[in-house]
Amino acid sequence: GQQVMQIPQYQHVQEGEDFTTYCNSSTTLSNIQWYKQRPGGHPVFLIQLVKSGEVKKQKRLTFQFGEAKKNSSLHITATQTTDVGTYFCAGPRRKTSYDKVIFGPGTSLSVIP
Amino acid sequence: SAVISQKPSRDICQRGTSLTIQCQVDSQVTMMFWYRQQPGQSLTLIATANQGSEATYESGFVIDKFPISRPNLTFSTLTVSNMSPEDSSIYLCSGGQGMSTEAFFGQGTRLTVV
Repeated sequence: GQQVMQIPQYQHVQEGEDFTTYCNSSTTLSNIQWYKQRPGGHPVFLIQLVKSGEVKKQKRLTFQFGEAKKNSSLHITATQTTDVGTYFCAGPRRKTSYDKVIFGPGTSLSVIP
Repeated sequence: SAVISQKPSRDICQRGTSLTIQCQVDSQVTMMFWYRQQPGQSLTLIATANQGSEATYESGFVIDKFPISRPNLTFSTLTVSNMSPEDSSIYLCSGGQGMSTEAFFGQGTRLTVV
């Protein structure tokens, strides 16, 4: 069945360092979403990518959707302690079906002040 | 955007009992889902709550154990029935207008079964 994988599972960085998490799907995705979950909190939507090769930026965060629409990345420049949390990518269950969302396993980011 | 109020936020329950979790959305949403999340893990979809009809359950989850109601486009409940310690987890509801739009999550219910 369709799988969404993320690497790394954990990342510890010094404050000010950059951070990247990668998301890979076994099938082509019609779109991909990214969510952030702070410790003890609930997932919060960050962004959605739809087009092949699409790149979107939100301040220090850069999101990219691969040309084949099977992978995506989230890059954070100069991490801050407020970036701590788990970052999940999520995609529709099937390319043409909009009835379910599959979440990746997430990347847990720790930022050392 | 939509705001989802979920309650209770946490509960400690005796094994063999049932707990009903409620989610109220401040606006109508097309889709509502229920997830389970173990600490440090990803979200596992339990079921899609369908308005006015039976929920659609994922593999490994059954209606007798997790009955779901969705009487209208702003409200849904999940019941965890005949609980055992293995049901201890965080339960989250989410809602949205479809897979091409963002999903909003409730604050979660931290359930401990003793």
